[in-house]
Amino acid sequence: GAGVSQSPRYKVAKRGQDVALRCDPISGHVSLFWYQQALGQGPEFLTYFQNEAQLDKSGLPSDRFFAERPEGSVSTLKIQRTQQEDSAVYLCASSPQGAMPQETQYFGPGTRLLVL
Amino acid sequence: GDSVTQMEGPVTLSEEAFLTINCTYTATGYPSLFWYVQYPGEGLQLLLKATKADDKGSNKGFEATYRKETTSFHLEKGSVQVSDSAVYFCALSAPRTSGTYKYIFGTGTRLKVLA
Repeated sequence: GAGVSQSPRYKVAKRGQDVALRCDPISGHVSLFWYQQALGQGPEFLTYFQNEAQLDKSGLPSDRFFAERPEGSVSTLKIQRTQQEDSAVYLCASSPQGAMPQETQYFGPGTRLLVL
Repeated sequence: GDSVTQMEGPVTLSEEAFLTINCTYTATGYPSLFWYVQYPGEGLQLLLKATKADDKGSNKGFEATYRKETTSFHLEKGSVQVSDSAVYFCALSAPRTSGTYKYIFGTGTRLKVLA
């Protein structure tokens, strides 16, 4: 079946613009995660959804970052008033069940955001 | 706080050489441990995992053993191939006091295998 998809794959934004990044998880997956990956670094956790509920947003770096998953499937990560330090690859992952420590996460290809 | 430390790359090996990529962790409680691999142009995918002490995860000839006494989860392969060239990420998941889980990744180790 289809894996996790993300769109757009690349986004160039001018500083101060708002951007919206989309994630389509694997159908039926309960958990959805967003990560930020800076160049040469590992993914850093941003936020977690169980179905439509955002249970953990402790990794969101500022109130300019907002995520939603209104129907428990597709999710959108929105960044308002983008700054240069927001330039990174944004990864989405899903897993079949609610958050459990041993669950495998299935990652999308990422959206590369460049803020000029 | 909890963390994952893995050896810096790049690691360059000849085909059929033995591979070790070191990974150590700091965590409260009993984390689950993972190795993810990212092939060029692709997303991260699970390579192997271990959920309790002394468990050995294995896949595609790769192995890693969960060593609680040394807080390590080193990745090994006896004979690498050119197709193993990729970036390897060590990761852990551990419970938070809130009842959710934290997921922490290392910085990644790039492996290049030469024919």
